Amino acid sequence: EVQLVESGGGLVKPGGSLRLSCAASGFTFSSYSMNWVRQAPGKGLEWVSSISSSSSYIYYADSVKGRFTISRDNAKNSLYLQMNSLRAEDTAVYYCARDLGIYDAFDIWGQGTMVTVSS
Amino acid sequence: SSELTQDPAVSVALGQTVRITCQGDSLRSYYASWYQQKPGQAPVLVIYGKNNRPSGIPDRFSGSSSGNTASLTITGAQAEDEADYYCNSRDSSGNFWVFGGGTKLTVL
Repeated sequence: EVQLVESGGGLVKPGGSLRLSCAASGFTFSSYSMNWVRQAPGKGLEWVSSISSSSSYIYYADSVKGRFTISRDNAKNSLYLQMNSLRAEDTAVYYCARDLGIYDAFDIWGQGTMVTVSS
Repeated sequence: SSELTQDPAVSVALGQTVRITCQGDSLRSYYASWYQQKPGQAPVLVIYGKNNRPSGIPDRFSGSSSGNTASLTITGAQAEDEADYYCNSRDSSGNFWVFGGGTKLTVL
């Protein structure tokens, strides 16, 4: 079964750091670009970051650039998001999502992990 | 930066047809994809590319595009189609992604 499972969310104080992980299974992880997408409570979806299959191309939304770092370990079938200098507005459910490639869509999503930034 | 604009809410009578639209300049260059999200659940891809449905998505869901507007049509809406729907595409640069604000669909 094709599956993505996020972990690492939790409660963190403003200015703190957190590292999210996304474990992939059921497909050849190293062949796909991957993304992080977040959703603040009661709000819509917001793309956060993307990374190409070999990590050659990395992009960030302006809202997180300079604070978040996306990475992957193809040997471990894992995607990561290092989040530093966290702010209250980073509070959200964070989803990892597989990029369908030439079809420009996110075809597989994880169940999400909640990040709460609060003092 | 690019933006995608959706109507916040749309309603449809059970069994009728509804169209949900998404407007944005990037749609002149890139196809939109569409996602269904029910409360407490992750988004699910329902339409991608010109008009493609992933395996398991009912054929009552279809997509189309004209100029700067993409549309998701549900022909014969069912009670289980009540959900939030989001459009998504690359931005004009092709390097970033943007989501529409979402449309809450109510099936009456």
